[in-house]
Amino acid sequence: SAVISQKPSRDICQRGTSLTIQCQVDSQVTMMFWYRQQPGQSLTLIATANQGSEATYESGFVIDKFPISRPNLTFSTLTVSNMSPEDSSIYLCSAIASYKNIQYFGAGTRLSVL
Amino acid sequence: DAKTTQPPSMDCAEGRAANLPCNHSTISGNEYVYWYRQIHSQGPQYIIHGLKNNETNEMASLIITEDRKSSTLILPHATLRDTAVYYCIVRVLNTGFQKLVFGTGTRLLVSP
Repeated sequence: SAVISQKPSRDICQRGTSLTIQCQVDSQVTMMFWYRQQPGQSLTLIATANQGSEATYESGFVIDKFPISRPNLTFSTLTVSNMSPEDSSIYLCSAIASYKNIQYFGAGTRLSVL
Repeated sequence: DAKTTQPPSMDCAEGRAANLPCNHSTISGNEYVYWYRQIHSQGPQYIIHGLKNNETNEMASLIITEDRKSSTLILPHATLRDTAVYYCIVRVLNTGFQKLVFGTGTRLLVSP
């Protein structure tokens, strides 16, 4: 299975600031995604991270709030901008391995905004 | 997009088989059924997937009905470590991209 590493694993931030989350995959992947999991809720897809081009955002999520980069096949970042307490969630990176049709997930970044 | 329906919670005794049902009555012919689980404070873990035939791996078995409108995930000998939220997901194809859309899942509690 693909190993997905996320940094940081958790952070506590002040409102109005921004946090960038990094995601590194240990093997070639075809697609990378970012999800959000609010407290006690299921996972919600934020966007698909596209290599070398703008991410594809789901309804309700915009680039100004959640800018995403994917400079190469195995690395992506998600920035949570101008944070408010409502952004307190777990943010998860996910990827589909190119050698099999299975989507894997990182351990997540637990974000608390004060 | 096919939606899934799962019971919100289930209990199982340790060592017994856990049978988790999922309804997906609007599934399309080319959509797969995937199962994931999420143990507390961890990322979702892939368990198994299938199209129309029953599947088995080292973790579980997946039984899909002939009409493909429902499926059952079977953990043959549940342990305390199997306590988790189990998600039944139908894979969606959208403008060439593939993505997993999560429902609310079933919270399985395995007790001694």
